[in-house]
Amino acid sequence: QVQLVESGGGVVQPGRSLRLSCAASGFPFGTFVMHWVRQAPGKGLEWVALMSFDGTNTYHADAVKGRFTISRDNSRNTLYLQMNNLRAEDTAVYYCARAIVGAKPRIDYWGQGTLVTVSS
Amino acid sequence: EIVLTQSPGTLSLSPGERATLSCRASRSVSTYLVWYQQKPGQAPRLLMYGASDRATGIPDRFSGSGSGTDFTLTISRLEPEDFAVYYCQHYGSSSWTFGQGTKVEI
Repeated sequence: QVQLVESGGGVVQPGRSLRLSCAASGFPFGTFVMHWVRQAPGKGLEWVALMSFDGTNTYHADAVKGRFTISRDNSRNTLYLQMNNLRAEDTAVYYCARAIVGAKPRIDYWGQGTLVTVSS
Repeated sequence: EIVLTQSPGTLSLSPGERATLSCRASRSVSTYLVWYQQKPGQAPRLLMYGASDRATGIPDRFSGSGSGTDFTLTISRLEPEDFAVYYCQHYGSSSWTFGQGTKVEI
């Protein structure tokens, strides 16, 4: 079955960096578009970034552009999110998610999330 | 960038009642509209895609409709497990946008 397991969250000081990982299994990882979506405590969902199946195309939300970078290693079935210059407003649960593209795009599987807390 | 506005913010209903949730886009999104359900402490779950297609395993009491700028998620008869937060989402060519959510509470 499809599994997405995030790791790498924790408490970090403002201005520091953190790298999240998402280990995928149960499906051909290298053929799917992947996303990061976050959710601040008590708030709604916010799309963060996406990467095409082969890594040639990436898109980032304006709120993280220039600070966060999505990447993937298809040989390791792993998605990454490098987060630099973290701010208090980046505090959130970060979800890794698999997307179906084409005529009816949607996110069909989500991980359970990893919590990032940015605090001094 | 397209903005999705969901209403109402909170819907207070009883089991067995009908729930009608709205999602309005700031400009036409055709039928590129998706609905998710999220329960406390859990990841979101895909409900509907293409505005009206039910995802695998979703009961038929859930239905979606609309196109262009106005969309509706209807739960025909609320079951206890349906009390949750519901999000609409649009796929753009280079970004994905979520609405702010509607909480369906008892």
